[in-house]
Amino acid sequence: DAGITQSPRYKITETGRQVTLMCHQTWSHSYMFWYRQDLGHGLRLIYYSAAADITDKGEVPDGYVVSRSKTENFPLTLESATRSQTSVYFCASSGHGSSYEQYFGPGTRLTVT
Amino acid sequence: AQSVTQLDSQVPVFEEAPVELRCNYSSSVSVYLFWYVQYPNQGLQLLLKYLSGSTLVKGINGFEAEFNKSQTSFHLRKPSVHISDTAEYFCAVTLYGGSQGNLIFGKGTKLSVKP
Repeated sequence: DAGITQSPRYKITETGRQVTLMCHQTWSHSYMFWYRQDLGHGLRLIYYSAAADITDKGEVPDGYVVSRSKTENFPLTLESATRSQTSVYFCASSGHGSSYEQYFGPGTRLTVT
Repeated sequence: AQSVTQLDSQVPVFEEAPVELRCNYSSSVSVYLFWYVQYPNQGLQLLLKYLSGSTLVKGINGFEAEFNKSQTSFHLRKPSVHISDTAEYFCAVTLYGGSQGNLIFGKGTKLSVKP
């Protein structure tokens, strides 16, 4: 089905472990985004990508790594997870020149113990 | 830099009553404005957007918002809410002609509709 999907939907990991959150969209949108959502903070941008092989930092990039080798995929890696990275992570995409409207995935709830 | 303030973190209201969710933004240049809705355990979904033209914007599910440039506001309204409107609502702003990576969200308003 067309759309934007995220996997896994739920993840529990231990402090210090590496974890990768996956994001896939079928619209061939140029832009893709990663946000984290925390109580009292709303949504904060972690990284975004304007096209394959082009990424840029957002408001809260520390501790995260992204890559974009294919237009449709935009994985987010926590290289060494910390408890402060416990959050709900949302991926979004947007077409170039689409009036900035972003389409969101269902989210991944990550717990770091 | 632009910013968004949602003036109420929680809004309780009875079913069939009208509701207004307030949003103010800060920017010295022209902006695009958005309202998104997030139902429990789901991602965000666009309700409506203001890009240019008429200051009264109609969206999905009977919601509308009015852009007021002089008051730098973009309040969301619905004349009669339903239980199913219970959700969190986010206002967002970006600069006209700016980077698509620069969509700034407010902290959200939780709308709770009671029977």
